[in-house]
Amino acid sequence: GAVVSQHPSRVICKSGTSVKIECRSLDFQATTMFWYRQFPKQSLMLMATSNEGSKATYEQGVEKDKFLINHASLTLSTLTVTSAHPEDSSFYICSARAQSSGGFDYGYTFGSGTRLTVV
Amino acid sequence: QKEVEQDPGPLSVPEGAIVSLNCTYSNSAFQYFMWYRQYSRKGPELLMYTYSSGNKEDGRFTAQVDKSSKYISLFIRDSQPSDSATYLCAMTAGGSYIPTFGRGTSLIVHP
Repeated sequence: GAVVSQHPSRVICKSGTSVKIECRSLDFQATTMFWYRQFPKQSLMLMATSNEGSKATYEQGVEKDKFLINHASLTLSTLTVTSAHPEDSSFYICSARAQSSGGFDYGYTFGSGTRLTVV
Repeated sequence: QKEVEQDPGPLSVPEGAIVSLNCTYSNSAFQYFMWYRQYSRKGPELLMYTYSSGNKEDGRFTAQVDKSSKYISLFIRDSQPSDSATYLCAMTAGGSYIPTFGRGTSLIVHP
């Protein structure tokens, strides 16, 4: 199967500091990864599409200078929340579309999520 | 009107019941339909992935797509307490398009 590993699962940080969240595709290469934000009892809100070797594409209303995305390799994308504030507290989830070398489509696979609490 | 509508619930059923979860959508271009299960404080897990209309069965789960009505369903037979989770539907117009998600239905299966 296709596995997306996300770390850390939970982080608490002080207001004004930066937090980095990692998303790795463990057994497949992902040229594109997606970053979502989810509020309690709400659906997934797409924040940005991360493209390997190029700039991320941000959804309308998402501050690219606040949510820095780096996709330096085919298996790793990172989201850095800069100068975090309490309103940034949320559940952040990454995703990638996995296809095997044989062409089998596993669909969109999600990481386990990161719960960020800014105090 | 949102592109994908899904009743958030919660839906509470007794163990062993047949559960029906549904989504409606407005974009006739959607062709790929997915159901995800999300446990509390975890990432969504893909349950079913179907293309176009028809039924697909996997164990206790059956996904049904009716494109003419723009309506998709997920049936869970012999529901178990471990099925208690939020179920999100998702759909996309094609492989290169990012899925659009419903808001999820919270399911509670009580012993």
